[in-house]
Amino acid sequence: QKEVEQNSGPLSVPEGAIASLNCTYSDRGSQSFFWYRQYSGKSPELIMFIYSNGDKEDGRFTAQLNKASQYVSLLIRDSQPSDSATYLCAVNIGDTGNQFYFGTGTSLTVIP
Amino acid sequence: IAGITQAPTSQILAAGRRMTLRCTQDMRHNAMYWYRQDLGLGLRLIHYSNTAGTTGKGEVPDGYSVSRANTDDFPLTLASAVPSQTSVYFCASSDSETGGLDTQYFGPGTRLTVL
Repeated sequence: QKEVEQNSGPLSVPEGAIASLNCTYSDRGSQSFFWYRQYSGKSPELIMFIYSNGDKEDGRFTAQLNKASQYVSLLIRDSQPSDSATYLCAVNIGDTGNQFYFGTGTSLTVIP
Repeated sequence: IAGITQAPTSQILAAGRRMTLRCTQDMRHNAMYWYRQDLGLGLRLIHYSNTAGTTGKGEVPDGYSVSRANTDDFPLTLASAVPSQTSVYFCASSDSETGGLDTQYFGPGTRLTVL
């Protein structure tokens, strides 16, 4: 079982809709959680991180964390065609604090 | 422009050859990382360094070695390349020695093909 699981998609939503991306993780000791966006042929860029249960909002993006269910999600409101990319979930586990595990990513397409 | 640079951009390498992928950052970040990205497997951590002079093994370290002689540079060496090391390699850095909540900044990547 992989440390971090994501539905690979592809996920398609119409422009203006809410896109919901989900991620589960296996290690209950995981401390912090990250969402990255990666355009085709480019490097990942951080969207946001979360470490406390509940919701964290940043503009059109909301990260949700439920440690009891070992589940983290990313909501994108008012989706735009420019949001079309692969979204990577990453989890920081390990005593050193530098053991990052990434999911395989979910491909999102926003249809104009 | 400040950030992370990687070299080469791409490389085709014969199996058995030695190869060093270069990574340099000018942000004075403490921590640096090497990942490989493969279709269907996502990003996997190869090695990391919390600070100059220290290194650690990630999820898939076999066949790779790293060194961290100074803050800015973190080269990744394949001593004897094998076809399974064909991948896109990303270098990243973050400010904190312990990662944690810090943002990881990624370089542009190196596409390596081992024949």
